[in-house]
This record gives sequence, C-alpha cells and structure tokens, in this order.
Amino acid sequence: EAQVTQNPRYLITVTGKKLTVTCSQNMNHEYMSWYRQDPGLGLRQIYYSMNVEVTDKGDVPEGYKVSRKEKRNFPLILESPSPNQTSLYFCASSPRTGSRYEQYFGPGTRLTVT
Amino acid sequence: ELKVEQNPLFLSMQEGKNYTIYCNYSTTSDRLYWYRQDPGKSLESLFVLLSNGAVKQEGRLMASLDTKARLSTLHITAAVHDLSATYFCAVVETGANNLFFGTGTRLTVIP
Repeated sequence: EAQVTQNPRYLITVTGKKLTVTCSQNMNHEYMSWYRQDPGLGLRQIYYSMNVEVTDKGDVPEGYKVSRKEKRNFPLILESPSPNQTSLYFCASSPRTGSRYEQYFGPGTRLTVT
Repeated sequence: ELKVEQNPLFLSMQEGKNYTIYCNYSTTSDRLYWYRQDPGKSLESLFVLLSNGAVKQEGRLMASLDTKARLSTLHITAAVHDLSATYFCAVVETGANNLFFGTGTRLTVIP
C-alpha cells in the first residue's frame, strides 16, 4: 500500500532532550516536507527536500534540523526541544516539485514538550 | 512572504444548502491546492488547480481559481453531514517550492 509513515505517533518529552521523528514513504517520491499544525495558525512548513541531499528551509525552520540521505526517508530532528515546539507534526511527500502533483500526508505525530 | 487568508474560519450550515469558502493569497502563484482534514486525522488532497480559470469538481465540491484576482473558491452544493471537516487551501508562490497554508475553514453540516 502506498503510504507515508511517521514514528512515533505520540511523544511526550522534556525540554532539552534531543529527539528524532522519522518519516518514510514507499512511493519513490522526490519531494518530501515537514509541517507543524497549531490551533488558529493552520499548517506551516518547516523544511522541505527536493531530492536526496537537497533540503531547504520552509516558513518556520528555527529549532529544527532535517536530513535526506535516502530517497524514502526524511527525519525531523529537534536537537534541544522547547515547550513552544509542542505541536502536531505532519510529513508529506510528492512525486515532483513544480508540477500538478498533490502532496500525500502522513498520519501525524503529536509532540508535547514539558 | 506569501499570505493566505481563508473565509470564513467557521461555517455552520444546514443539510441541503449551498455555500462558498474563499481563499485569497497575496502574491502570484501557479499552484493552489485544497485539502480536507477530519478531526484527529491527516490531510486528504481534494483538488489541484494550476491555471487561471481552472475548475474542478468532485461530488458536491467544486473548486475554481482566478489567478488575476488571487482568489480560489470551494463551493459546496447541497451539503450533507459527511462533508463536515476542516478545509484548507494551500498556495505555492510562482518560482518557489514551499507551500503556504490558509488557517482553515471548519465546516459543520447540521442534519
């Protein structure tokens, strides 16, 4: 089944403890992206990647890191999480950029930083 | 920075009625998307609009794009309860690759 998977789905952590949220897609998509969703703010893009080893900042990259060493994986890294990073995170992928293709979203990861 | 505004933010309507959700954006764009999100769920793609005058329809939903006015509409015809969800538009600025979302419209269809 074609899908985008994220792990973990739920995570409660403490300030300053490094964490990684994994994202994997099995559709051979070139484009992958991370978003955070907060009440009243909609979704905001954190980082995106147009292909392996090609990443770029989105709207709200501060406090986050990403890497794209393999086409299927695009992990989101929080080196020193803070409470303002408590949010619902979505990973998404798309066959191409600059095209008619929509993005396919993962199920979401709900992160709480205390 | 590209700004995307949706109106209304909340919409309560009776079954069988028609209504329109509006999505305005602040700079030129050649791609606009509409998504649906059910409570506690992920986003589902509804429409991709690529050119001025584009119109797409799926069931009781119809989306259109006017790039000159920087406006997209999502029209709901004869609403049914199953359409209750939050609807987002999202825009990519011309020549760019990052996606900007509107704040969403929470639609509740009352039986």
